[in-house]
Amino acid sequence: AQTVTQSQPEMSVQEAETVTLSCTYDTSESDYYLFWYKQPPSRQMILVIRQEAYKQQNATENRFSVNFQKAAKSFSLKISDSQLGDAAMYFCAYRSADFNKFYFGSGTKLNVKP
Amino acid sequence: DTAVSQTPKYLVTQMGNDKSIKCEQNLGHDTMYWYKQDSKKFLKIMFSYNNKELIINETVPNRFSPKSPDKAHLNLHINSLELGDSAVYFCASSQGLAYDSYEQYFGPGTRLTVT
Repeated sequence: AQTVTQSQPEMSVQEAETVTLSCTYDTSESDYYLFWYKQPPSRQMILVIRQEAYKQQNATENRFSVNFQKAAKSFSLKISDSQLGDAAMYFCAYRSADFNKFYFGSGTKLNVKP
Repeated sequence: DTAVSQTPKYLVTQMGNDKSIKCEQNLGHDTMYWYKQDSKKFLKIMFSYNNKELIINETVPNRFSPKSPDKAHLNLHINSLELGDSAVYFCASSQGLAYDSYEQYFGPGTRLTVT
């Protein structure tokens, strides 16, 4: 079975600085999809960014970008120019291409200091 | 416009009771899910339905029974509630087709507290 590991339970970053959240996964599949979700205190799960495994180019969405290393099975999230509103739990997720099943990591709590 | 809605948002009940949580999505998606998020924030899939058909049924006690009257609704019924059932339950939906990167859209969650 696929597993998703987030080794950083909690991280802190100063406002306007850059932070990187780590995610590794274990799979025997060659085709799959990866996501980062954000869960603020409101509990709502919000999609931050997604990456298709067949794409070599790293995905970017404004201040959010990923470093996708397929061979290393690593999918880290970089947040640039951190803002107070970025404070939340961040979950890494894996989706099989041939079956509609998602696996989530245990989450990383991000604190943003003013 | 709410994409994925859940009712109720908060549910407090006593052990042994039976309760239901409702979920509706207006996105026209084919697939819907139920997740349980425990006190440590770990998010685990419980069930998934595709076009009203159960496709994922993780190791969940028989006391939990999902019901999908149509593809826009997926309700979760829980019998004989136990203290360990206390958690936040999330409903989600996705377009659900294979070979596509459709992400999931989550509801606001239902915080269930069993006393």
